[in-house]
Amino acid sequence: DAGVIQSPRHEVTEMGQEVTLRCKPISGHDYLFWYRQTMMRGLELLIYFNNNVPIDDSGMPEDRFSAKMPNASFSTLKIQPSEPRDSAVYFCASSPHPSGRDHEQYFGPGTRLTVT
Amino acid sequence: GESVGLHLPTLSVQEGDNSIINCAYSNSASDYFIWYKQESGKGPQFIIDIRSNMDKRQGQRVTVLLNKTVKHLSLQIAATQPGDSAVYFCAEMAGSGGGADGLTFGKGTHLIIQP
Repeated sequence: DAGVIQSPRHEVTEMGQEVTLRCKPISGHDYLFWYRQTMMRGLELLIYFNNNVPIDDSGMPEDRFSAKMPNASFSTLKIQPSEPRDSAVYFCASSPHPSGRDHEQYFGPGTRLTVT
Repeated sequence: GESVGLHLPTLSVQEGDNSIINCAYSNSASDYFIWYKQESGKGPQFIIDIRSNMDKRQGQRVTVLLNKTVKHLSLQIAATQPGDSAVYFCAEMAGSGGGADGLTFGKGTHLIIQP
């Protein structure tokens, strides 16, 4: 398996523009997570899905952020409009239904977002 | 150790020595803990996990110790190698009995292996 795939790997955009980050989870994983990593705040959970349904979005910073999972193999995280303080590395992770090693989450390589 | 803003705690050890990375967690309801390793430019990578009904678990060259009384977690790496240089995060999860949940990550410790 190729692991969790994220695109783009790097994104530079101007303040006010819409940004869409994409994620393809590992096939067969029922859970998908979006995290944000900054030096100041570390790794923060934004939202996660179970079987394509959003379960907990309490970590989403504000209404400018939205996430969708239209099917089991694709999710997007959208920021509209983007602001400089959104600059961070955004990680997508997926996890199989709890069994065996249970809750191990497999992380993608991340998307480094810079908003100028 | 805990982050103090922009600067991660740093642990520097000689190659071949053992290293111990510490983590304090805050949620007494957390019952599942994971250590992740993050190399520069990459996503976190699973190292080892432990449930709250255990106080020690061993893997290959790594051991995790859990002290629920003081809410403390440690990662021991034996015979460190240059490839062990990375940032190490502890993560906790509460109420894991029914299903997966988001992880709460600590701020991380930067491990540097000196040749």
